[in-house]
Amino acid sequence: EPEVTQTPSHQVTQMGQEVILRCVPISNHLYFYWYRQILGQKVEFLVSFYNNEISEKSEIFDDQFSVERPDGSNFTLKIRSTKLEDSAMYFCASSAQGSTNEKLFFGSGTQLSVL
Amino acid sequence: DAKTTQPPSMDCAEGRAANLPCNHSTISGNEYVYWYRQIHSQGPQYIIHGLKNNETNEMASLIITEDRKSSTLILPHATLRDTAVYYCIVRNFNYGGATNKLIFGTGTLLAVQP
Repeated sequence: EPEVTQTPSHQVTQMGQEVILRCVPISNHLYFYWYRQILGQKVEFLVSFYNNEISEKSEIFDDQFSVERPDGSNFTLKIRSTKLEDSAMYFCASSAQGSTNEKLFFGSGTQLSVL
Repeated sequence: DAKTTQPPSMDCAEGRAANLPCNHSTISGNEYVYWYRQIHSQGPQYIIHGLKNNETNEMASLIITEDRKSSTLILPHATLRDTAVYYCIVRNFNYGGATNKLIFGTGTLLAVQP
């Protein structure tokens, strides 16, 4: 079965540094998502992306965050000036369509640790 | 968004059926019920979804009551590898054309016992 691939699996960074988390969605999918999960907490929606623009974003997704689809295969999440509270597991997801009858496929995540 | 209520935890004996309940009394007629699971901080894994009719696939069965106010996920023969947090999600239909995202709650921690 096709998979969503995320790299790196673990990322350690110093507070204040910028990080880029990378995702390769399933090849024929058109809708892309980022979620995060702080240790012991819920999986939280961050942002969705379609047709090269943000479709929806949560309150968490402030000016510190940005997303990009730099080429036909990658989907990235950039976190500028990381804070300690950005430490979390970040999940990328994709779906073929945006309808409610279309399932999301999730990657295995990137564990971000901000020191 | 339609809210779901799930028990925080359940146990099941290996080889037996696991029946995970979910209440969603405020569900709207065009909202699907989705089940995902998360094994030890891995990415959420799709299990099954349905609208009105009962559904079955290679992983599980989904039983939705006639009034759609509750559903049950059935794992017919639970194994130790089925130990995970199971999320019941009512997928909000957004008429405005946004992405109809999945919103995760706290789920049910299913512990399959040997």
